[in-house]
Order: sequence, then C-alpha cells, then structure tokens
Amino acid sequence: GAVVSQHPSRVICKSGTSVKIECRSLDFQATTMFWYRQFPKQSLMLMATSNEGSKATYEQGVEKDKFLINHASLTLSTLTVTSAHPEDSSFYICSASWLDQETQYFGPGTRLLVL
Amino acid sequence: GENVGLHLPTLSVQEGDNSIINCAYSNSASDYFIWYKQESGKGPQFIIDIRSNMDKRQGQRVTVLLNKTVKHLSLQIAATQPGDSAVYFCAEKGATDKLIFGTGTRLQVFP
Repeated sequence: GAVVSQHPSRVICKSGTSVKIECRSLDFQATTMFWYRQFPKQSLMLMATSNEGSKATYEQGVEKDKFLINHASLTLSTLTVTSAHPEDSSFYICSASWLDQETQYFGPGTRLLVL
Repeated sequence: GENVGLHLPTLSVQEGDNSIINCAYSNSASDYFIWYKQESGKGPQFIIDIRSNMDKRQGQRVTVLLNKTVKHLSLQIAATQPGDSAVYFCAEKGATDKLIFGTGTRLQVFP
C-alpha cells in the first residue's frame, strides 16, 4: 500500500520552455502532497506543501510564479516549472500523506535537465 | 539553506556486519521521526518510524533508537547486506506537516 507515482521519470527540455510533472497516489487519497527538490549529493529541500482544493504553501525562497502547483484532486498534484533555465535542472520528488497520517510516502522522482 | 552539504558522510561495512547510522536532529519539540532509504536515482523509501514517547522501536533487521536528551537518533541494521547500500536520511516532524531532513549518510556494503 501507499504507492506514489511520478511522470515523467526524466525530461530534457530547452531553456525557456515549461515542464509539467505529475504526482499520483495510486492506492490512497492524498489530502496533502509535498514537492521537494534534490541536488546531487544533497538532502531533500521542501519546495511547497499542497492540500487538495486549496493553494499551495511555498517555502521561503521558492518562487510561486515559477513553480506552479496544482492539487485538483485527492490523487493528483502537478508541478509546472515555467520558463525553465539550466539552474532548474534537478531531481524533483513528490510525497503524499493522508489525514492523520504523519508518514510521507515518496514518489520515484523526476530528473529534469534544462539545456 | 537547511540541509546543504556537498560531502555525504560515508559508512563502509562488510557484508554480514551490523551497521549503525547516526543522526542529530535540530528541534527539541519534534515528536515524530522517520528513517528513509534512498537508492541512486530513486525516491526515498520508508524504513521505520518512532514517536517521541518511545526510545526504541524494532522492525525487520532494523532498530531505531531515540535519545531525546541529546537529540540523537540512530538506525541499526543487523546483518547488513549488499542491497542495503544506499543513502539513509533521518527526518523529524514537529507541529506542522513538514518533515525536516538530515544531511544523509551513505552506507557502502562490501562483500
């Protein structure tokens, strides 16, 4: 149980384009989803917390107009990196949890490379 | 920012030995702790958790110890296997939904 998927697993795009990453909870309803970014050999850095049906809460220093998060249903959240630049290249990971559940279950991650 | 580190501490053990991975957490008000295992190119995988009202919890081949006095968490892996090779992260949670991750420890298992 508690399986989270992400799509795509990896994406290469040109600088200036936008990229959408999907995060799905496959066997549970995720009331809260989280988006993280991880650079090589570093820990996970929380970007934003998203509750179904409401606006995401962004961490300090994360531009909400650049990283658009939508959590329109209890099984799907999307992260759109707008006008991507090479410095946005990273490993993006989502996690999900449900009401009263403290553990977060993680997706497999999406490797983004911006050329 | 938080949890920035260019050099992961590394623990090297021989197959069959026991491994102990340590973590110092930051917030004395944290009341829930999790250990995650992350293999290369994959997302973190839940291993075991513990609440602050406990000081020890055992799973299959893994034990987590919590010392609230010194804000220290450890993960013990018995009879370490090559498949245990990965980066291990501790995470703490306080009053909010957010998890705060440690810097991670790379476990290398040699045959």
